[in-house]
Amino acid sequence: NSKVIQTPRYLVKGQGQKAKMRCIPEKGHPVVFWYQQNKNNEFKFLINFQNQEVLQQIDMTEKRFSAECPSNSPCSLEIQSSEAGDSALYLCASSYQNTLYFGAGTRLSVL
Amino acid sequence: GDSVTQTEGLVTLTEGLPVMLNCTYQTIYSNAFLFWYVHYLNESPWLLLRSSTDNKRTEHQGFHATLHKSSSSFHLQKSSAQLSDSALYYCALINNYAQGLTFGLGTRVSVFP
Repeated sequence: NSKVIQTPRYLVKGQGQKAKMRCIPEKGHPVVFWYQQNKNNEFKFLINFQNQEVLQQIDMTEKRFSAECPSNSPCSLEIQSSEAGDSALYLCASSYQNTLYFGAGTRLSVL
Repeated sequence: GDSVTQTEGLVTLTEGLPVMLNCTYQTIYSNAFLFWYVHYLNESPWLLLRSSTDNKRTEHQGFHATLHKSSSSFHLQKSSAQLSDSALYYCALINNYAQGLTFGLGTRVSVFP
């Protein structure tokens, strides 16, 4: 069973609202990832962190999302102004020895 | 960049029959890790198999796959499908843990009695 904890499991927001989700990675895993799984079940990489620093992020994340992974606190991903197209499952994963371990995700619905 | 191709979007079969899901990949790196993840609805995607060793069979929970670098393939097989195998299956590769996984589009497997 995965030890990556994501909250909340479900999130409902109106367009233009902020949407924030959190992730507690597995202890000892150095890298944390966020992926978006769309309605076609495709995975899109959003951003990753190592030791609180951003390693990589896509353009969309840089422009519209706010993300952080502070020490001794959950990682977070926040959409600053939700759009209908942001409705998806957001998956957090932590990485150890080249293997990613996923949480159960936050399912965001933007009305 | 890296890419992973899963040719089947949907596989439907009867319980007890064999199942094979195709996965081919492209990468310029010779030391890539290949994975199969399983995703059940409302659960975490979880690791089914992984390999980085050429021509070595990897097995777990009745499934097996062999990484063939010569053909850039990592096909998933099971000799006898069970109802509980109904799920989404993703093939993925990683070259550098910092860059994360490159996923295929996934194959939905539906097993019927």
